[in-house]
Amino acid sequence: AQSVSQHNHHVILSEAASLELGCNYSYGGTVNLFWYVQYPGQHLQLLLKYFSGDPLVKGIKGFEAEFIKSKFSFNLRKPSVQWSDTAEYFCAALTGGGNKLTFGTGTQLKVEL
Amino acid sequence: NAGVTQTPKFQVLKTGQSMTLQCAQDMNHNSMYWYRQDPGMGLRLIYYSASEGTTDKGEVPNGYNVSRLNKREFSLRLESAAPSQTSVYFCAISPGLGTGELFFGEGSRLTVL
Repeated sequence: AQSVSQHNHHVILSEAASLELGCNYSYGGTVNLFWYVQYPGQHLQLLLKYFSGDPLVKGIKGFEAEFIKSKFSFNLRKPSVQWSDTAEYFCAALTGGGNKLTFGTGTQLKVEL
Repeated sequence: NAGVTQTPKFQVLKTGQSMTLQCAQDMNHNSMYWYRQDPGMGLRLIYYSASEGTTDKGEVPNGYNVSRLNKREFSLRLESAAPSQTSVYFCAISPGLGTGELFFGEGSRLTVL
């Protein structure tokens, strides 16, 4: 069955540090990948998505992610985090004929001043 | 997200009681979803509706029923609540299956005692 793994459950960084959150998926066919973010007390919102083409995708607020097919990975990056980036980040994959979006367990990011 | 409205936002139930979570959208999207979010487990799909008149099971459908009343509304019913159903429930919508881009409601926090 399709699954999405996020191995970093909690990450604490200082402002201006660089960020990389890991995401791996287990599916051999065509897969579409997403990162969602949930700020404290808010609903989830889309950060970025990959369907095809350039494997380096850019999203909102300076985030980017790189699709590496050989590694089944779609890691999220940001060169310099801000306190306002404190949130929970979810990787997700769309498979199964496009019917269902499978989420990872999430990574809680805390950015300290 | 004004496009997706969930009610109620908070509810406390006793074991065995029933209740219905309501979800309404004003974005005229075809597909609607119910997810539950639990700490350390990410979001898990309970049921979804690809279009008006159709519903399908997701990962964790046991103990729930759904109804796609019309294009705007998608309700989730707990017939006999159990403590294991204590969770935050999110309704989401998308233009159609295969897009992966979901718009979420603000969530409904349910506690079952």
